Amino acid sequence: GAGVSQSPSNKVTEKGKDVELRCDPISGHTALYWYRQSLGQGLEFLIYFQGNSAPDKSGLPSDRFSAERTGGSVSTLTIQRTQQEDSAVYLCASSLVGVGETQYFGPGTRLLVL
Amino acid sequence: QQQVKQSPQSLIVQKGGISIINCAYENTAFDYFPWYQQFPGKGPALLIAIRPDVSEKKEGRFTISFNKSAKQFSLHIMDSQPGDSATYFCAAKGNDKIIFGKGTRLHILP
Repeated sequence: GAGVSQSPSNKVTEKGKDVELRCDPISGHTALYWYRQSLGQGLEFLIYFQGNSAPDKSGLPSDRFSAERTGGSVSTLTIQRTQQEDSAVYLCASSLVGVGETQYFGPGTRLLVL
Repeated sequence: QQQVKQSPQSLIVQKGGISIINCAYENTAFDYFPWYQQFPGKGPALLIAIRPDVSEKKEGRFTISFNKSAKQFSLHIMDSQPGDSATYFCAAKGNDKIIFGKGTRLHILP
């Protein structure tokens, strides 16, 4: 079956512009996570969706970052008024029933803010 | 208390040697410890995982050693191969949170 897919694979934008990153989780997975990975750095947790529960937004670095998950499936991470320090790889993962189960990661979106 | 400390940051091992990556945690509520492997340009993928009721788990050339009293766990790669060159992340799960270490870049010399 298909794994987690993310689009676009690469995004170059100008400082101050808004960007939207998309994640399609594995069908049937109720949990979805967003992470940020800066060059040579670890995985920085951003946000976690579990079923119909309120998302855990505790990792979002500023109010310029937001995410939504429509219909319990596709998720969009939006970064408003992008800054150069937002340049990173944004990874999405999904798991079957929530934290603790195996997370399946997508290939990531490489964002470069000029 | 929510941190997972991983070391070393980078590691170079000769082909055929043993690669060892260490992680330490503080939160005693952690109850699941996975290791992920990430190749350049790809997302991380689960490699092997352990729960704290066992002290060791082995899958092929990969072994996790777990020391509950010391709150430490490590990944051992036996007979390391150039194809093992990747970034490895340890992680710990507890209280509905999963925390990742900062990663170890492993390079196996041919």
